[in-house]
Amino acid sequence: GAGVSQSPSNKVTEKGKDVELRCDPISGHTALYWYRQSLGQGLEFLIYFQGNSAPDKSGLPSDRFSAERTGGSVSTLTIQRTQQEDSAVYLCASSSPRSNQPQHFGDGTRLSIL
Amino acid sequence: DQQVKQNSPSLSVQEGRISILNCDYTNSMFDYFLWYKKYPAEGPTFLISISSIKDKNEDGRFTVFLNKSAKHLSLHIVPSQPGDSAVYFCAAKASGSRLTFGEGTQLTVNP
Repeated sequence: GAGVSQSPSNKVTEKGKDVELRCDPISGHTALYWYRQSLGQGLEFLIYFQGNSAPDKSGLPSDRFSAERTGGSVSTLTIQRTQQEDSAVYLCASSSPRSNQPQHFGDGTRLSIL
Repeated sequence: DQQVKQNSPSLSVQEGRISILNCDYTNSMFDYFLWYKKYPAEGPTFLISISSIKDKNEDGRFTVFLNKSAKHLSLHIVPSQPGDSAVYFCAAKASGSRLTFGEGTQLTVNP
């Protein structure tokens, strides 16, 4: 059974570089979410895609962050000119279009900025 | 504005006893509530949910209670097991909106 898949599982990069994180949601799930969890913190909402609607980008912390969802399936989260404070676990989740359905999470990408 | 709050960052319980995790919310439009469990290096896993038309939902050792007038929900785990040691997040949503998560509570069940 295919769950939410994220890649890479770990990413180490130098400050100032751009990174791309990938999320493959569960097939048939129209909603897709990105969160991040910094060390010792809770889940911080970043962005939400629902079907063909305009994404809710209200959680993106700066204009260095952007996300796309191509063909209503795979999503990429891009962070440009990375900073050390971007170090965190980036989690993706998807959910069914039916109402009151739980989100299912991937195992995340652990991003470390040197 | 933290609409979902878990005021206890940690909880320690003896194996076999009851664990009670608490969560408060402020948005009266929330009508669906969930609990997730998270182990280190893994994504959160859905545990149990409750809609606002109910005040209790039970699944095995896990029971969620909802008190709408107090805007409070709790997760009871009984009996607690060492494998239950994890971070527990509560979450809530209103119809048509996205989930809002609490900050999490680290549960430790001691053998």
